[in-house]
Amino acid sequence: DAKTTQPPSMDCAEGRAANLPCNHSTISGNEYVYWYRQIHSQGPQYIIHGLKNNETNEMASLIITEDRKSSTLILPHATLRDTAVYYCISYNNAGNMLTFGGGTRLMVKP
Amino acid sequence: GAVVSQHPSRVICKSGTSVKIECRSLDFQATTMFWYRQFPKQSLMLMATSNEGSKATYEQGVEKDKFLINHASLTLSTLTVTSAHPEDSSFYICSATYLAVGETQYFGPGTRLLVL
Repeated sequence: DAKTTQPPSMDCAEGRAANLPCNHSTISGNEYVYWYRQIHSQGPQYIIHGLKNNETNEMASLIITEDRKSSTLILPHATLRDTAVYYCISYNNAGNMLTFGGGTRLMVKP
Repeated sequence: GAVVSQHPSRVICKSGTSVKIECRSLDFQATTMFWYRQFPKQSLMLMATSNEGSKATYEQGVEKDKFLINHASLTLSTLTVTSAHPEDSSFYICSATYLAVGETQYFGPGTRLLVL
């Protein structure tokens, strides 16, 4: 699976959009981009995933660049409960194995 | 949908005892389950991949005789930490996927193990 790089930490004001970047420059054509988040002392929570097209669900939006070398997770109106470590993972379906990197620790502040 | 549970959520045991952790997919059949371990302030590390009815595949450096995995049904996998020692104290998390290929992994809430 391709390696991803994320900033170790970010701050965001409550109510504002949180934009979390992820680089996956070595991603291959059959690898999806998955985002999970982990709130302290809990299991990771699935947020969203995509292959080529931008995706949106009730939690977030995922913007993938045309060359697929990077993506951005957008939380449109961050709340204090969105404070967590966010993991961006490029995932080979055939391998069926997630490899977690260091993630981005998002701190939403009042 | 796609709920995964773990039991117990927290366990404290004496050194040398064995501890069993259960992982259940509550509303779907999971042909593949995964076991991860997470030490404080670190990311999740995959320990093993478990397919229903077959032996688990362990990651390099994970002792299969120490971490026994059983995946007897499509909704239950168990991890037994045998002869636990203080260095086995960690946060153990399972995940499960629908069917075989290309499906999202859903994670359990984790089990915190403390070995005294």
